[in-house]
Formats: sequence, C-alpha cells, structure tokens
Amino acid sequence: DGGITQSPKYLFRKEGQNVTLSCEQNLNHDAMYWYRQDPGQGLRLIYYSQIVNDFQKGDIAEGYSVSREKKESFPLTVTSAQKNPTAFYLCASTKRSGVYNEQFFGPGTRLTVL
Amino acid sequence: DQQVKQNSPSLSVQEGRISILNCDYTNSMFDYFLWYKKYPAEGPTFLISISSIKDKNEDGRFTVFLNKSAKHLSLHIVPSQPGDSAVYFCAASVVYNFNKFYFGSGTKLNVKP
Repeated sequence: DGGITQSPKYLFRKEGQNVTLSCEQNLNHDAMYWYRQDPGQGLRLIYYSQIVNDFQKGDIAEGYSVSREKKESFPLTVTSAQKNPTAFYLCASTKRSGVYNEQFFGPGTRLTVL
Repeated sequence: DQQVKQNSPSLSVQEGRISILNCDYTNSMFDYFLWYKKYPAEGPTFLISISSIKDKNEDGRFTVFLNKSAKHLSLHIVPSQPGDSAVYFCAASVVYNFNKFYFGSGTKLNVKP
C-alpha cells in the first residue's frame, strides 16, 4: 500500500535538545511538505521541497531545518532555537503531474517538550 | 494574514440532517479548493475538491459549492452520519503554484445520533 509514514507517533524532548522527525513516502511524489498544527489553529507551513536537494521556507521556518537527499524522505529537525516546539507535526506530499493535485498526509507526530 | 478563513470553530447537527460548513478566502488568484477531514491524532484525509471553472462538485453525500464573486465555498453533507464527526479543513491553492496550499483553521463537526 502506498502512503506516507511518520515516526515516531509521540516524541518527548528536553528543552535545549534538537530532535528529528522522520517522514517517508512511497507514492513517488515529487513535492513534500511539513506543517505544524496547534490547538484550535489550522495547518501552518514550515518547509516544502519540490525536488531532491531543493527546499524552500514556509511561513514559520524559524527554528526548523530540513533536508531532501532522497525523493522518498524529507526529515524535519526541530532545533533548540524553536521557542515553542510543542505541537502536532504533519508531513504531506503531492505529485507534480496533472493540473489539480491534492496533498496526501501522514499520520502525524506529536512532539512534547518537557 | 490568513488567506483562508473558517469562521465557525464548531457545528453540531442531528443525524440525518444536512451539515453545511463554510469557508471564505481573500486571494482572488486561488483557483483550486479542497476539503479535508481530520480525526484527532491523525493526518487529514482528502475529501473533495473543486476547481474555479466549476461552481459545484458532488461526490456521494458530499457536495462542495464555490461562489467566486463572494470568495466563498461551502461543504454540504447530506445526510449527516455520526461517523462524519471530525474536524474539517478547507484549503486553497493557485494551480500554477501547486506547491503551496493555504488552510483554514478548521470546523469541528459533531453529528449527534
């Protein structure tokens, strides 16, 4: 079955530590995205990548970093510079062919900073 | 500046009745609109979409209406079922710039048995 996997589902981190969230897709999609969701709010774009070895900042990129070394993988690192990292993080992907394309989402990772 | 807005954070509907979820947008360049359904602690799942060349798209119990002049879209669920209880997000994009999708803040639908 094709889809997007995110691991782990729950992650706890101490203040001042960096942590990396995993996102893998086997949909052969070109574009991948990271969103953050806070209670009562919509999805806010952190970073996105259209192709391998290329990525762009979204609306709230400060304190985050990404890499795109493989088409299937788009890990997100939450650095100690992120002031309020506790949130639900969602990874998504989109194919580039065709005109109208929806985003497919992974199950999410809930990060809690202790 | 939020370009996609869902002004109703919650909606409660009786089973079997119609649910109407609303969404407004400000960017007239948006030409593709989507609705997603999300359960707690899960990722959103795609529900239905509509392009700006249409004003209605129907898929089973779900119908999306687009009013471009009012910059407004709505999702109708008929008949509503308890399993429809979830948070619904609307999203918008510009087709030539498919990489960015703008999401509303969501409406939590509760369908009462």
